[in-house]
Amino acid sequence: EAEVAQSPRYKITEKSQAVAFWCDPISGHATLYWYRQILGQGPELLVQFQDESVVDDSQLPKDRFSAERLKGVDSTLKIQPAELGDSAMYLCASGSPFSGATGELFFGEGSRLTVL
Amino acid sequence: AQSVTQPDIHITVSEGASLELRCNYSYGATPYLFWYVQSPGQGLQLLLKYFSGDTLVQGIKGFEAEFKRSQSSFNLRKPSVHWSDAAEYFCAVGARGGYQKVTFGTGTKLQVIP
Repeated sequence: EAEVAQSPRYKITEKSQAVAFWCDPISGHATLYWYRQILGQGPELLVQFQDESVVDDSQLPKDRFSAERLKGVDSTLKIQPAELGDSAMYLCASGSPFSGATGELFFGEGSRLTVL
Repeated sequence: AQSVTQPDIHITVSEGASLELRCNYSYGATPYLFWYVQSPGQGLQLLLKYFSGDTLVQGIKGFEAEFKRSQSSFNLRKPSVHWSDAAEYFCAVGARGGYQKVTFGTGTKLQVIP
């Protein structure tokens, strides 16, 4: 069964360092989402791509966060510099939630970031 | 703007008892509605979804949910809870049209006691 791949699963870094997360969506999925989930809270949308274009990044802290999906396939989320408050799970999802056979978002297992 | 409220942060039920998790949404029209489940340290898995039609929807693992437009609710139910149902449950609302933004609630953590 096709899955959304994310790496790394775990990342520990010191504040002010740069961090990058990678996501490979399910083949053929045009929509890709990056969510941030702080412990004990629900996922918060950071950025949404439709193919290679950003369609929603209203909640992305653009002074330190960036995201790209250059060829409309895999995607990278970067944080520079990392701050203590960035400690969270970063979830990638793909799909076309309102179309297709299943109409859902498919989530990866997430990347857990700890900033010291 | 769309939003979701899950008023119960934590719920404890006995194994074999019935379960109802509450979800209220805010959206200007009829939304798409979802319930997802998350085990510790894992991603989210779809339990069920409502797009249109029958307001009582069936999902995986014996879960069901009922869309009530008049109450702006989409409560999740299960008649008999199993210990393996212990997890965190998230309700989500999706916008119709546009770029299909999906907004999640803050979640309800379910504990199952023997």
